Amino acid sequence: DAGVTQSPTHLIKTRGQQVTLRCSPKSGHDTVSWYQQALGQGPQFIFQYYEEEERQRGNFPDRFSGHQFPNYSSELNVNALLLGDSALYLCASSFRGWDAPYNEQFFGPGTRLTVL
Amino acid sequence: AQSVTQLDSHVSVSEGTPVLLRCNYSSSYSPSLFWYVQHPNKGLQLLLKYTSAATLVKGINGFEAEFKKSETSFHLTKPSAHMSDAAEYFCVVIRERAGTALIFGKGTTLSVSS
Repeated sequence: DAGVTQSPTHLIKTRGQQVTLRCSPKSGHDTVSWYQQALGQGPQFIFQYYEEEERQRGNFPDRFSGHQFPNYSSELNVNALLLGDSALYLCASSFRGWDAPYNEQFFGPGTRLTVL
Repeated sequence: AQSVTQLDSHVSVSEGTPVLLRCNYSSSYSPSLFWYVQHPNKGLQLLLKYTSAATLVKGINGFEAEFKKSETSFHLTKPSAHMSDAAEYFCVVIRERAGTALIFGKGTTLSVSS
């Protein structure tokens, strides 16, 4: 079992550009959540996808959007990048995560985004 | 709104000595609490979770935590530190009435010296 995988590992963009990050959940998982972890901080919840729909959203602007595919993989898109978007972006997967809070969420290694 | 406060940003111990990482929570309801560990260049890993079944929760690698409602605390302990325990530790609460979104504390860096 490969666990949660994310691509790319690192990414460098300039202000105003758009970026797409990808996540493949652990085998058997159907729920994907995205988190942003700024340097020296704890991760912050961006949104969660289940059955190809956004089910929950954190306090992030509409520049942050996502998608979940029929195979449960997910993308995070960020438009009009700002310097403050530089962070480690983490993907987490779980089984029936929408209504099963005690089901463990497994995290991927993250994508390090640097905005210049 | 729920939140967690990790009282120490950095804790240093010697190998073989006890570990105590402190966490206080704020929640209107009976909270679901977790501790996660993050090793450099590795993903977050669940250490243990409190689900109201028992106030003393045992986790992986010898860690345990005690839920104390009167003190609104959920401190993480380990009797004897190992060099491999050096990492970033996060106290986490689930966002109320909002599915399973996790709310993380700012983290505590644990350093272990020989």
